[in-house]
Amino acid sequence: AQKITQTQPGMFVQEKEAVTLDCTYDTSDQSYGLFWYKQPSSGEMIFLIYQGSYDEQNATEGRYSLNFQKARKSANLVISASQLGDSAMYFCAMRPTQNTGGFKTIFGAGTRLFVKA
Amino acid sequence: TAGITQAPTSQILAAGRSMTLRCTQDMRHNAMYWYRQDLGLGLRLIHYSNTAGTTGKGEVPDGYSVSRANTDDFPLTLASAVPSQTSVYFCASSDGTSGSGANVLTFGAGSRLTVL
Repeated sequence: AQKITQTQPGMFVQEKEAVTLDCTYDTSDQSYGLFWYKQPSSGEMIFLIYQGSYDEQNATEGRYSLNFQKARKSANLVISASQLGDSAMYFCAMRPTQNTGGFKTIFGAGTRLFVKA
Repeated sequence: TAGITQAPTSQILAAGRSMTLRCTQDMRHNAMYWYRQDLGLGLRLIHYSNTAGTTGKGEVPDGYSVSRANTDDFPLTLASAVPSQTSVYFCASSDGTSGSGANVLTFGAGSRLTVL
């Protein structure tokens, strides 16, 4: 069975500093995709970054990067130069890329990030 | 604006009553999903549909049913609501049912349901 684990319920970071949000996963699939989504206090879900399991380089999108360590089954999100607007809930998610049960995307419990001025 | 429309935005429901949460997308996405979001548990998949005419069970399907009569609509029905179904419900869709590409989820704004 697939599982996503986010062990940090809450994190604090000083504005302009970098922060790493942890994500580990468990899957028997050989091919899968890993995602991070952001949920501000307004409630909408915003896609941030994607990493394919066969991608050799870590994904980057502006201030977001995904530290992918396949052997450790970890997909940590790194936010550089934190901004006050980064305060939000962050979810790690995974989706198989082979049809081993419906291409279902599953999510972790989330990490709430607080950026301090 | 293209996207997903969910209705109602919020609802208070007496236990034992039935309720249908509506979800409509205008992006012609093949796959659609229903999640519930609860504090400390993240988003949990209730049901999904890879394409019109097919549905599947997610992580927490008990007490819920879905149908996918066409590409655009994916309603979620609670036949006899219980207080544990109090939650925020998100409908989502993605373009592909194949393994290629990121297949990023597009979410609706959510429906907040309180069962008393």
